[in-house]
Amino acid sequence: QQQVKQSPQSLIVQKGGISIINCAYENTAFDYFPWYQQFPGKGPALLIAIRPDVSEKKEGRFTISFNKSAKQFSLHIMDSQPGDSATYFCAARAYTGTASKLTFGTGTRLQVML
Amino acid sequence: NAGVTQTPKFQVLKTGQSMTLQCAQDMNHNSMYWYRQDPGMGLRLIYYSASEGTTDKGEVPNGYNVSRLNKREFSLRLESAAPSQTSVYFCASRLASGDTQYFGPGTRLTVL
Repeated sequence: QQQVKQSPQSLIVQKGGISIINCAYENTAFDYFPWYQQFPGKGPALLIAIRPDVSEKKEGRFTISFNKSAKQFSLHIMDSQPGDSATYFCAARAYTGTASKLTFGTGTRLQVML
Repeated sequence: NAGVTQTPKFQVLKTGQSMTLQCAQDMNHNSMYWYRQDPGMGLRLIYYSASEGTTDKGEVPNGYNVSRLNKREFSLRLESAAPSQTSVYFCASRLASGDTQYFGPGTRLTVL
């Protein structure tokens, strides 16, 4: 059962363009929504994260838009660069007792072309 | 700080063999996690340890066991490897008061 649905599976964008990756969730107990970036042969690394009490968070060229009522959130990469080529995972956190766990989306492979 | 380290980086096993994947963190984190990553399926939680002395099953625990050896180390054991366990395995850790999970570089495991 996929609790966090991510799309598209892959994305090709021209240098300087905008990359948009979307995620949707069902569990209203999720309280924290991070995006992870993963380069080939490396572990995922936190890129940017948002809590559901805000609708947008921006860090440099990366922005998360969050729609609580629709249970959707998205990552926007402005002025996409070849160095942004990587796999991106959205995730959502829930607590079980004192333990916090992340549920990940299936990932989006982004390729930025020159 | 080395962060989260994992050994080995690569491993090839035959069906039925056993092995232990090692994970250690030097960030004094309380919680540790084991994930597997398969194409098109994202990262799925195998087991986690909220604190030293506790372990719990995640989404896909069958065929695996874990040991939280101390606060720094969290190992994953495959008792009788199967081809379905061919995957990339990631360990992660998190400070109890923090939000971010920090991932290791991964172990690529192939079971023939």
